[in-house]
Amino acid sequence: EDQVTQSPEALRLQEGESSSLNCSYTVSGLRGLFWYRQDPGKGPEFLFTLYSAGEEKEKERLKATLTKKESFLHITAPKPEDSATYLCAVVDGGATNKLIFGTGTLLAVQP
Amino acid sequence: DAGVIQSPRHEVTEMGQEVTLRCKPISGHNSLFWYRQTMMRGLELLIYFNNNVPIDDSGMPEDRFSAKMPNASFSTLKIQPSEPRDSAVYFCASSPDSSGANVLTFGAGSRLTVL
Repeated sequence: EDQVTQSPEALRLQEGESSSLNCSYTVSGLRGLFWYRQDPGKGPEFLFTLYSAGEEKEKERLKATLTKKESFLHITAPKPEDSATYLCAVVDGGATNKLIFGTGTLLAVQP
Repeated sequence: DAGVIQSPRHEVTEMGQEVTLRCKPISGHNSLFWYRQTMMRGLELLIYFNNNVPIDDSGMPEDRFSAKMPNASFSTLKIQPSEPRDSAVYFCASSPDSSGANVLTFGAGSRLTVL
């Protein structure tokens, strides 16, 4: 069964304190790994798509990387506005190409 | 574009009542998704449509749930009768990719509370 596991469940950082979020996945034939950001009371917002091991994507203080079994979302010198829940999702191995989401990491960045 | 529009934003109802959630996808997007989000289970796909046709409804929990997409600009998710365990935030999302797994744009969600 296709699975996505994110860790930690919650992370509290001081402003400027870099860290990484983890997303491990089990899927037959990866066809895309997605990172989304969700703010309280809002829907998830797309950040990155990664397709193959070794691929990296960057956006401001965020960098996503991908290996054959997991993805990391690195946050460099975070600011309070980076506080949100970060969701990881993979395209399932079946015929319908649907996205399977992890339960997310709640990030709080304190000034 | 106004994005994906969902209504109502909040719904409080009593067990046994019918609930209808509505969604207007982004114009030109040909895939539409209904997700449910809870603290325990996270985001779960309920059903997705491509070109107004249901492609995968394996996530629909039971016969009390039904979804329709009568045209490219409107979809409904109906729960009848509703139960307290249906309390969750329901998201609609749309995508421009006919394969169904491209970048999704989510609406703001409909928070349902069933008493």
